[in-house]
Amino acid sequence: GENVEQHPSTLSVQEGDSAVIKCTYSDSASNYFPWYKQELGKRPQLIIDIRSNVGEKKDQRIAVTLNKTAKHFSLHITETQPEDSAVYFCAASNNYGQNFVFGPGTRLSVLP
Amino acid sequence: DGGITQSPKYLFRKEGQNVTLSCEQNLNHDAMYWYRQDPGQGLRLIYYSQIVNDFQKGDIAEGYSVSREKKESFPLTVTSAQKNPTAFYLCASNYEGAGELFFGEGSRLTVL
Repeated sequence: GENVEQHPSTLSVQEGDSAVIKCTYSDSASNYFPWYKQELGKRPQLIIDIRSNVGEKKDQRIAVTLNKTAKHFSLHITETQPEDSAVYFCAASNNYGQNFVFGPGTRLSVLP
Repeated sequence: DGGITQSPKYLFRKEGQNVTLSCEQNLNHDAMYWYRQDPGQGLRLIYYSQIVNDFQKGDIAEGYSVSREKKESFPLTVTSAQKNPTAFYLCASNYEGAGELFFGEGSRLTVL
Protein backbone atom coordinates (compact mmCIF):
# COMPACT_ATOMS: atom_id res chain seq x y z
CA GLY A 1 0.00 0.00 0.00
CA GLU A 2 0.86 3.66 -0.14
CA ASN A 3 3.32 5.14 2.34
CA VAL A 4 3.81 8.88 2.76
CA GLU A 5 6.80 10.37 4.55
CA GLN A 6 7.02 14.02 5.54
CA HIS A 7 9.95 16.20 6.63
CA PRO A 8 10.74 18.03 8.76
CA SER A 9 8.54 17.15 11.71
CA THR A 10 9.02 20.63 13.17
CA LEU A 11 10.07 23.86 11.49
CA SER A 12 10.68 27.31 12.93
CA VAL A 13 11.14 30.34 10.71
CA GLN A 14 11.32 34.07 11.22
CA GLU A 15 8.35 36.10 10.10
CA GLY A 16 8.82 37.06 6.46
CA ASP A 17 11.07 34.12 5.63
CA SER A 18 10.06 31.17 3.46
CA ALA A 19 9.13 27.70 4.66
CA VAL A 20 9.42 24.45 2.71
CA ILE A 21 7.91 21.10 3.70
CA LYS A 22 8.69 17.97 1.71
CA CYS A 23 6.79 14.72 1.25
CA THR A 24 7.59 11.49 -0.55
CA TYR A 25 5.17 8.76 -1.58
CA SER A 26 5.66 5.17 -2.63
CA ASP A 27 2.74 4.25 -4.91
CA SER A 28 3.19 5.39 -8.50
CA ALA A 29 -0.60 5.06 -8.96
CA SER A 30 -1.23 8.02 -6.65
CA ASN A 31 -2.48 10.96 -8.67
CA TYR A 32 -3.82 13.54 -6.22
CA PHE A 33 -1.74 15.34 -3.58
CA PRO A 34 -3.47 17.74 -1.17
CA TRP A 35 -2.03 19.76 1.68
CA TYR A 36 -4.04 20.41 4.84
CA LYS A 37 -3.48 22.98 7.55
CA GLN A 38 -4.62 22.28 11.10
CA GLU A 39 -4.55 25.10 13.58
CA LEU A 40 -4.49 24.25 17.25
CA GLY A 41 -7.79 22.70 18.33
CA LYS A 42 -9.37 23.06 14.90
CA ARG A 43 -10.24 20.81 12.00
CA PRO A 44 -7.81 20.23 9.11
CA GLN A 45 -8.57 22.41 6.11
CA LEU A 46 -7.38 22.12 2.55
CA ILE A 47 -4.98 24.88 1.57
CA ILE A 48 -3.77 23.68 -1.82
CA ASP A 49 -3.74 20.55 -3.92
CA ILE A 50 -2.12 19.28 -7.09
CA ARG A 51 -2.95 16.55 -9.56
CA SER A 52 -0.45 14.32 -11.27
CA ASN A 53 -0.83 15.99 -14.66
CA VAL A 54 0.55 19.27 -13.26
CA GLY A 55 4.07 20.03 -12.04
CA GLU A 56 3.40 23.18 -10.05
CA LYS A 57 0.49 25.15 -8.66
CA LYS A 58 0.47 28.49 -6.89
CA ASP A 59 -2.08 30.36 -4.81
CA GLN A 60 -0.85 33.71 -3.50
CA ARG A 61 1.90 32.94 -0.93
CA ILE A 62 1.48 29.18 -1.18
CA ALA A 63 2.82 26.89 -3.89
CA VAL A 64 3.11 23.15 -4.37
CA THR A 65 5.51 21.34 -6.68
CA LEU A 66 5.31 17.73 -7.79
CA ASN A 67 8.05 15.49 -9.17
CA LYS A 68 6.39 12.28 -10.32
CA THR A 69 9.62 10.63 -11.35
CA ALA A 70 11.14 11.04 -7.91
CA LYS A 71 7.76 10.58 -6.20
CA HIS A 72 7.99 13.67 -4.08
CA PHE A 73 6.05 16.88 -3.65
CA SER A 74 6.68 19.99 -1.63
CA LEU A 75 4.79 22.86 -0.03
CA HIS A 76 6.34 26.31 -0.26
CA ILE A 77 5.12 29.22 1.85
CA THR A 78 6.65 32.62 1.15
CA GLU A 79 6.58 35.75 3.31
CA THR A 80 5.45 33.75 6.33
CA GLN A 81 3.17 35.36 8.87
CA PRO A 82 2.34 34.38 12.48
CA GLU A 83 -1.06 33.08 11.34
CA ASP A 84 0.76 30.49 9.22
CA SER A 85 1.75 28.74 12.46
CA ALA A 86 -0.02 25.37 12.44
CA VAL A 87 0.47 21.68 11.69
CA TYR A 88 0.61 20.91 7.98
CA PHE A 89 -0.24 17.49 6.57
CA CYS A 90 0.49 16.22 3.10
CA ALA A 91 -1.49 13.36 1.61
CA ALA A 92 -1.52 11.12 -1.43
CA SER A 93 -4.53 9.55 -3.05
CA ASN A 94 -5.42 7.46 -6.03
CA ASN A 95 -8.45 7.97 -8.20
CA TYR A 96 -8.37 11.70 -7.43
CA GLY A 97 -9.83 11.49 -3.97
CA GLN A 98 -10.22 8.02 -2.59
CA ASN A 99 -8.01 6.17 -0.16
CA PHE A 100 -6.07 9.11 1.22
CA VAL A 101 -2.81 8.34 3.02
CA PHE A 102 -1.52 11.18 5.18
CA GLY A 103 1.99 12.10 6.18
CA PRO A 104 2.76 12.44 9.92
CA GLY A 105 2.60 16.24 9.84
CA THR A 106 4.94 19.21 10.22
CA ARG A 107 4.52 21.70 13.03
CA LEU A 108 5.41 25.12 11.63
CA SER A 109 6.14 27.98 14.00
CA VAL A 110 6.53 31.48 12.60
CA LEU A 111 8.47 33.62 15.05
CA PRO A 112 7.73 37.36 15.21
CA ASP B 1 -25.04 26.29 6.51
CA GLY B 2 -23.47 23.15 5.06
CA GLY B 3 -20.88 21.09 6.80
CA ILE B 4 -19.99 18.11 8.91
CA THR B 5 -21.09 17.86 12.51
CA GLN B 6 -19.45 15.55 15.01
CA SER B 7 -20.69 14.88 18.50
CA PRO B 8 -19.83 14.77 21.26
CA LYS B 9 -16.79 17.04 21.21
CA TYR B 10 -15.41 15.47 24.38
CA LEU B 11 -16.19 12.02 25.74
CA PHE B 12 -14.95 10.09 28.73
CA ARG B 13 -15.33 6.36 28.93
CA LYS B 14 -14.54 3.69 31.45
CA GLU B 15 -12.60 0.65 30.33
CA GLY B 16 -14.87 -2.07 29.00
CA GLN B 17 -17.54 0.28 27.70
CA ASN B 18 -18.51 0.77 24.08
CA VAL B 19 -19.05 4.33 22.88
CA THR B 20 -20.52 5.70 19.66
CA LEU B 21 -19.33 8.87 17.98
CA SER B 22 -21.77 10.65 15.72
CA CYS B 23 -20.98 12.14 12.31
CA GLU B 24 -23.59 13.91 10.18
CA GLN B 25 -23.08 15.80 6.91
CA ASN B 26 -25.45 17.89 4.83
CA LEU B 27 -23.08 18.35 1.90
CA ASN B 28 -24.68 15.56 -0.15
CA HIS B 29 -21.31 13.81 -0.25
CA ASP B 30 -21.13 10.19 -1.30
CA ALA B 31 -18.05 9.16 0.63
CA MET B 32 -17.44 9.41 4.36
CA TYR B 33 -14.38 8.57 6.41
CA TRP B 34 -13.23 8.11 9.98
CA TYR B 35 -9.68 8.99 10.96
CA ARG B 36 -7.82 8.67 14.21
CA GLN B 37 -5.27 11.34 15.10
CA ASP B 38 -2.47 10.70 17.59
CA PRO B 39 0.41 13.09 18.26
CA GLY B 40 3.18 12.73 15.70
CA GLN B 41 1.33 10.09 13.66
CA GLY B 42 -0.81 12.10 11.31
CA LEU B 43 -4.24 10.86 10.35
CA ARG B 44 -4.84 7.13 10.16
CA LEU B 45 -7.86 5.71 8.39
CA ILE B 46 -10.22 3.57 10.45
CA TYR B 47 -13.15 2.97 8.10
CA TYR B 48 -14.60 4.53 4.99
CA SER B 49 -17.85 4.30 3.08
CA GLN B 50 -18.44 5.22 -0.53
CA ILE B 51 -22.14 4.43 -0.65
CA VAL B 52 -25.04 3.73 1.68
CA ASN B 53 -25.03 0.26 3.23
CA ASP B 54 -21.44 -0.37 2.24
CA PHE B 55 -18.15 0.35 4.03
CA GLN B 56 -14.54 -0.86 4.02
CA LYS B 57 -11.89 -1.27 6.65
CA GLY B 58 -9.03 1.15 6.73
CA ASP B 59 -5.56 0.63 8.15
CA ILE B 60 -6.55 0.43 11.83
CA ALA B 61 -10.10 -0.99 11.89
CA GLU B 62 -9.56 -3.47 14.72
CA GLY B 63 -11.74 -2.64 17.72
CA TYR B 64 -13.99 -0.28 15.76
CA SER B 65 -17.29 -0.71 13.93
CA VAL B 66 -19.39 1.54 11.67
CA SER B 67 -22.71 1.68 9.87
CA ARG B 68 -23.97 3.65 6.88
CA GLU B 69 -27.75 3.40 6.88
CA LYS B 70 -28.24 6.93 5.56
CA LYS B 71 -26.15 9.01 3.16
CA GLU B 72 -25.89 11.79 5.74
CA SER B 73 -24.75 9.69 8.70
CA PHE B 74 -21.69 7.57 9.46
CA PRO B 75 -21.44 6.74 13.18
CA LEU B 76 -18.34 5.11 14.65
CA THR B 77 -18.46 2.72 17.60
CA VAL B 78 -15.32 2.31 19.65
CA THR B 79 -15.65 -1.11 21.24
CA SER B 80 -14.04 -2.51 24.35
CA ALA B 81 -11.81 -4.56 22.05
CA GLN B 82 -9.89 -1.43 21.03
CA LYS B 83 -6.69 -1.64 23.09
CA ASN B 84 -5.77 2.03 23.16
CA PRO B 85 -8.87 4.08 22.36
CA THR B 86 -7.80 7.41 23.85
CA ALA B 87 -7.38 9.66 20.81
CA PHE B 88 -8.80 12.46 18.70
CA TYR B 89 -11.28 11.17 16.09
CA LEU B 90 -12.02 13.04 12.88
CA CYS B 91 -14.86 12.38 10.48
CA ALA B 92 -14.58 13.57 6.86
CA SER B 93 -16.49 13.42 3.62
CA ASN B 94 -16.07 14.19 -0.06
CA TYR B 95 -17.64 13.63 -3.44
CA GLU B 96 -16.29 10.33 -4.66
CA GLY B 97 -13.35 10.99 -6.89
CA ALA B 98 -13.56 14.74 -6.49
CA GLY B 99 -10.70 15.41 -4.15
CA GLU B 100 -11.08 17.74 -1.22
CA LEU B 101 -11.91 16.17 2.11
CA PHE B 102 -14.13 18.19 4.41
CA PHE B 103 -13.53 17.48 8.07
CA GLY B 104 -15.68 17.72 11.15
CA GLU B 105 -14.37 19.44 14.27
CA GLY B 106 -13.44 16.16 15.88
CA SER B 107 -14.29 14.17 18.99
CA ARG B 108 -11.76 13.69 21.75
CA LEU B 109 -12.20 10.36 23.54
CA THR B 110 -10.51 9.69 26.84
CA VAL B 111 -10.62 6.31 28.50
CA LEU B 112 -10.35 6.46 32.26
